Amino acid sequence: TQLLEQSPQFLSIQEGENLTVYCNSSSVFSSLQWYRQEPGEGPVLLVTVVTGGEVKKLKRLTFQFGDARKDSSLHITAAQPGDTGLYLCAPNYQLIWGAGTKLIIKP
Amino acid sequence: GAGVSQSPSNKVTEKGKDVELRCDPISGHTALYWYRQSLGQGLEFLIYFQGNSAPDKSGLPSDRFSAERTGGSVSTLTIQRTQQEDSAVYLCASSRDLESYGYTFGSGTRLTVV
Repeated sequence: TQLLEQSPQFLSIQEGENLTVYCNSSSVFSSLQWYRQEPGEGPVLLVTVVTGGEVKKLKRLTFQFGDARKDSSLHITAAQPGDTGLYLCAPNYQLIWGAGTKLIIKP
Repeated sequence: GAGVSQSPSNKVTEKGKDVELRCDPISGHTALYWYRQSLGQGLEFLIYFQGNSAPDKSGLPSDRFSAERTGGSVSTLTIQRTQQEDSAVYLCASSRDLESYGYTFGSGTRLTVV
C-alpha cells in the first residue's frame, strides 16, 4: 500500500525565518505535486516535480524531488504571513495524499 | 466556467437523511475527482471519472455513497442515510485528463450531519 508521510505535522515560526517541510514515501512516483490550502478553500497547485533530483523555484519557495523519486521537500526562505496554510503533497493520479503540514507564520 | 464550482457551499442535514452535492468542472476537462477532507487533515480519495470510461469507485467508504457524471460534465455525489461520521468537507477537482499534472479544485461543500 502506498503511503505518503508529511513532516512536521505542524510548524509555527516567526516571519522572516526559513523552514523546510518534507514528503516521504517508500514508493517510487513518476511525479509529485505540492499544493497549498487556505481555510475554506480547496487546495491550489504550487508545483509539479517530475525528474529525480529536480529542483524548482517559485519565488521564495524551493521544491526538490529526491533522486530516487520517493521523497520531496519544500523550503521556504524568509517566510511571510501570506505563506500560512496547509501544505499537501500528492503523487501522480493523486489517489493518495499526505496528511499535510499546517504552517503558521507569525508577524 | 472559469473554475470548478461546487454547491451548496454548506449543508446541514439530519442523521438518516439523503444529501446531494454538486460539482461543475472546468469546461472541457474530462477528468473529475471527488475527495473528502476531515478538519485539518489530508484528502481522502472517493471516486474519479475519466471521459466515458467506467468510474473508479475504489475510494467510496460504503454503499451509501454514489456518484454520477452526466454528459461528461456536471457530477453529483449522493450520500444516503447520512451518519455523523460523514461530516466533512467534500472537494471536487477537475483536470484536462487523467495524465495532466495538477488538478483545479472547487472550494468544497462543508457537510454537517446532526
